[in-house]
Amino acid sequence: EAQVTQNPRYLITVTGKKLTVTCSQNMNHEYMSWYRQDPGLGLRQIYYSMNVEVTDKGDVPEGYKVSRKEKRNFPLILESPSPNQTSLYFCASSLRTSGSVTGELFFGEGSRLTVL
Amino acid sequence: QKEVEQNSGPLSVPEGAIASLNCTYSDRGSQSFFWYRQYSGKSPELIMSIYSNGDKEDGRFTAQLNKASQYVSLLIRDSQPSDSATYLCAVMEYGNKLVFGAGTILRVKS
Repeated sequence: EAQVTQNPRYLITVTGKKLTVTCSQNMNHEYMSWYRQDPGLGLRQIYYSMNVEVTDKGDVPEGYKVSRKEKRNFPLILESPSPNQTSLYFCASSLRTSGSVTGELFFGEGSRLTVL
Repeated sequence: QKEVEQNSGPLSVPEGAIASLNCTYSDRGSQSFFWYRQYSGKSPELIMSIYSNGDKEDGRFTAQLNKASQYVSLLIRDSQPSDSATYLCAVMEYGNKLVFGAGTILRVKS
């Protein structure tokens, strides 16, 4: 089954305690992206990756890091989480055609993070 | 930052009616447009994509695009309670950037 898998699905942590949210896709997609979703603000892009070892900032990258060492995995790292990073996080992947992202994203189930 | 605007709703329609969801965008260079459906507590899923002016139909769903007016809409015919969800409009801006609107909540009452 084609899917994007995120872990953990739910996490409560404290300020400053480093955490990693994993994301893995089994569709051989080149493009992967992380979003956060907050009430009234919609989906905002954190980081994206066009291919292995190629990552770039989205609209709200502050406080986050990513890496893309393998095509299937795109972990999101919060080095020193703060309460304003409490949010619902989605990983997504997509094909690329002729070098461009198609816009037809497959989303993971989401990771709800609470930072106290 | 280019914008994608949607009425937050909630939009309430009776079962069997047509639901009309609207979206405007600011980047005139945008070429690809998408509608995603998100049930409460779930992830967004793609339901329609449209790339050229006019209508595109898929079952009970019709996407409409008017690039001159920078306007995209989604019509849902014969609305069912199972259509109750948040509908996200997404626009692929020039430069390969996908921007989402904040979404419209649709409630279909039986």
